[in-house]
Amino acid sequence: GIQVEQSPPDLILQEGANSTLRCNFSDSVNNLQWFHQNPWGQLINLFYIPSGTKQNGRLSATTVATERYSLLYISSSQTTDSGVYFCAVETSGSRLTFGEGTQLTVNP
Amino acid sequence: ETGVTQSPTHLIKTRGQQVTLRCSSQSGHNTVSWYQQALGQGPQFIFQYYREEENGRGNFPPRFSGLQFPNYSSELNVNALELDDSALYLCASSKDRVYGYTFGSGTRLTVV
Repeated sequence: GIQVEQSPPDLILQEGANSTLRCNFSDSVNNLQWFHQNPWGQLINLFYIPSGTKQNGRLSATTVATERYSLLYISSSQTTDSGVYFCAVETSGSRLTFGEGTQLTVNP
Repeated sequence: ETGVTQSPTHLIKTRGQQVTLRCSSQSGHNTVSWYQQALGQGPQFIFQYYREEENGRGNFPPRFSGLQFPNYSSELNVNALELDDSALYLCASSKDRVYGYTFGSGTRLTVV
């Protein structure tokens, strides 16, 4: 099956700093989503981005499907950005395959 | 527009018992998927239901079973619970399996 690798596994920032999270995948995909998992466990959809670039406030994402990677940019980080960020991909079929996540900690 | 709702939020069961978890899909969504997330790991796909039919299954034993109802809500049933079944169970819905998935808040199951 498809492999999804996220880096870095852990990231500690000071409030106001910028960061880039990376997701590499091993095969062509029909769907790629970035999620933020809050402390209560809910996966909040950040971007549906099988290709191209999208922006939403301080967050933006780019997927280069031909090179099989996606990047999530967080600018001017805030303490509320802390949590686990997951990349998930879907090939033909029904399932999302998740990476192991990046644990982000933003200190005040 | 209501999101994906799951019940119960927390549950404690004894090894060997059976459990049923429930999920109401987002309005307009006809596809429901279930995921198991062990502590410190990414979610793992259990199975998906599309228009009341199972449409794909992950590497889980048959004691994990499910249903989807005509209103597109869904149940996950787990028989003969084992300690390793302790996890966060997440439900996700989508419309026709395109344009991404919306997740519920999950049910945290503890097996003792």
